[in-house]
Amino acid sequence: GESVGLHLPTLSVQEGDNSIINCAYSNSASDYFIWYKQESGKGPQFIIDIRSNMDKRQGQRVTVLLNKTVKHLSLQIAATQPGDSAVYFCAENRGPGYSTLTFGKGTMLLVSP
Amino acid sequence: DSGVTQTPKHLITATGQRVTLRCSPRSGDLSVYWYQQSLDQGLQFLIQYYNGEERAKGNILERFSAQQFPDLHSELNLSSLELGDSALYFCASSPSGTGETQYFGPGTRLLVL
Repeated sequence: GESVGLHLPTLSVQEGDNSIINCAYSNSASDYFIWYKQESGKGPQFIIDIRSNMDKRQGQRVTVLLNKTVKHLSLQIAATQPGDSAVYFCAENRGPGYSTLTFGKGTMLLVSP
Repeated sequence: DSGVTQTPKHLITATGQRVTLRCSPRSGDLSVYWYQQSLDQGLQFLIQYYNGEERAKGNILERFSAQQFPDLHSELNLSSLELGDSALYFCASSPSGTGETQYFGPGTRLLVL
């Protein structure tokens, strides 16, 4: 496969470990956040979202945490599997009046068996 | 499968040429977004349409244009192509174009020689 970025931060983990991917955002008015997963050669795929009135949201094997005080978002993946290897992007909606999402640069997650 | 379709999957052309990329949104989605992704950049937002009208503009070059048709499919036209236009081009769609979750297509890989 091909990479989507030459200088992405990379997180390498062993299969079965828990992974934490972090994202900082700059706009305190941002009210909606999404994590996307992009596998090599494919389009970004929705994983989980969270609104600014929440601190935590859980999905299947994934949890998103939002810390509005320090403008930080994290994605936790439990029992990471080789199929989780991908680039992960956070995206934010910057608040009322914004009809688009702003995407972060992405983090590459590499899972070894 | 997100329900967003893009054609063609791959496109190889020469500098100075013009190409058209096509996108069909998910059933029921009224808004379409175009993104460019090159190796050294993340997802660069180009333009958004909602129900046939332009709603937001990002880093779209003057050589590029887009439109959304009455049946809601969209086309991105790239003209006077340069080597640096080689990239993955993604289309995404969302129901109301108000900053909610976007669903991405599989992308068109453009190679300009």
